[in-house]
Parts: sequence; C-alpha cells; structure tokens
Amino acid sequence: QSDLTQPASVSGAPGQSITISCTGTNSDVGTYDLVSWYQQHPGKVPKLMIYEGSKRPSGVSHRFSGSKSGNTASLTISGLQAEDEAVYFCCSYAGRSTYVFGTGTKVTVL
Amino acid sequence: QVQLVQSGGEVKKPGASVKVSCKASGYSFTSYGITWVRQAPGQGLEWMGWINTYNGHTNSAQKLQDRVTMTTDRSTSTAYMELRSLRSDDTAVYYCARKDIGGAWFDPWGQGTLVTVSS
Repeated sequence: QSDLTQPASVSGAPGQSITISCTGTNSDVGTYDLVSWYQQHPGKVPKLMIYEGSKRPSGVSHRFSGSKSGNTASLTISGLQAEDEAVYFCCSYAGRSTYVFGTGTKVTVL
Repeated sequence: QVQLVQSGGEVKKPGASVKVSCKASGYSFTSYGITWVRQAPGQGLEWMGWINTYNGHTNSAQKLQDRVTMTTDRSTSTAYMELRSLRSDDTAVYYCARKDIGGAWFDPWGQGTLVTVSS
C-alpha cells in the first residue's frame, strides 16, 4: 500500500484561500468516501479537521472544507490565518479494514 | 472529556520488543476501536493497525503484520501495542487514537510515546 501523494508545501497570504490535494488510486480515495484530514503543529499531536470527505467535527472552524474528485481529495482553508500554519495529512480507507496516510503538506502563512 | 493517555518513552536495543499502553477515559471503551499510528523523526504519519475493542479483531499494515500485536484489557479500558524484533528504523513516536468502528476517522489522539531503538 503506497502513501497518498500530497504537495510538500503550500503557502498563502493571510485572508487568502489555499487548497491541498491528496491523490490516491482506485483502491482507496477513488472508491471510498472515507477521507479524513489532520492538522499537526510542530511538536503537537495530530488533530482531526475533516472526516468522511467533507464533514467537520464539532469545534473545527468553518474555514476548513473538504471535497473529492475522482482519485483526488482536497482540503481548502479559506480566510487563511497565522494559526493555520501547520502540517496537514490526509488519510483514506483502503479496503479490508486498512488505512493509508498522505505524505503531508506544510502550510506556510506568508 | 474523552482522553487517551499513553505510557512513557522507551529505549530498546535492536532485536528487542516494546509494548506501549493507551488508557482511555471519558467514553464507552468498547463502542470505539483504537488505531495505532507512528511517526519517525521529521517524517509523516504511518498507519500501523487497529483493534476492534468490542470483539478483539485486529487489522494491521501488511509491512508490520509479522511483528505487531494489538490487544486490549477491557477491565481497565486500556489498549496495548507490542512491536517485536525492533530495528533502528522503528525509532518513532507511537500514537494511539480512538477510531469510529464503522468509519474512518481517528479522534482524539494520545500524547504519543517515543520509542528509541539504539545499540
């Protein structure tokens, strides 16, 4: 099972919107609407931001949204804020009760 | 509140085994699974496996199947992950996280346990 592919880095100015892609295959992202996204600040524990592709857990800002097209899932952060600077990981169900993470994307707020 | 508290850091020699614990509180332990994820220094997240705390069934990543065992003690709401035949590239922070049994999200996560493998 190979890692899902994410861009190494994405950046944007405060207030702008950015989108992080997460590309998998027909064995994971393309078949299941079960992609989740996690935010990890340096030295901190990952935090769930999006689950089942587009659902936000209670307490997560509406500025975070998720979507999918074909084998690629995406996380969009609108109204970028300094506190959004972190590494973001996607994760997909890959069948047979297994899961696979993305390679991770470092978001920089300019 | 829902909380997962993991055991402390470990230093092991190559070839040894390590067992990390993860004590859950604030929810019904057997209503959710526990998943294990590791993160090597400066690297990404690697899914290791998960255990259905209700029936004890486990699934693990193919590359670790021969070396990892996940168990639970329902009387103490504690999950365990044992990794055998440790190598230097097993040096990582090991996390447990609550998993929706029928779904695919992990929340919340334990604080992490650093396992260092060094001769």
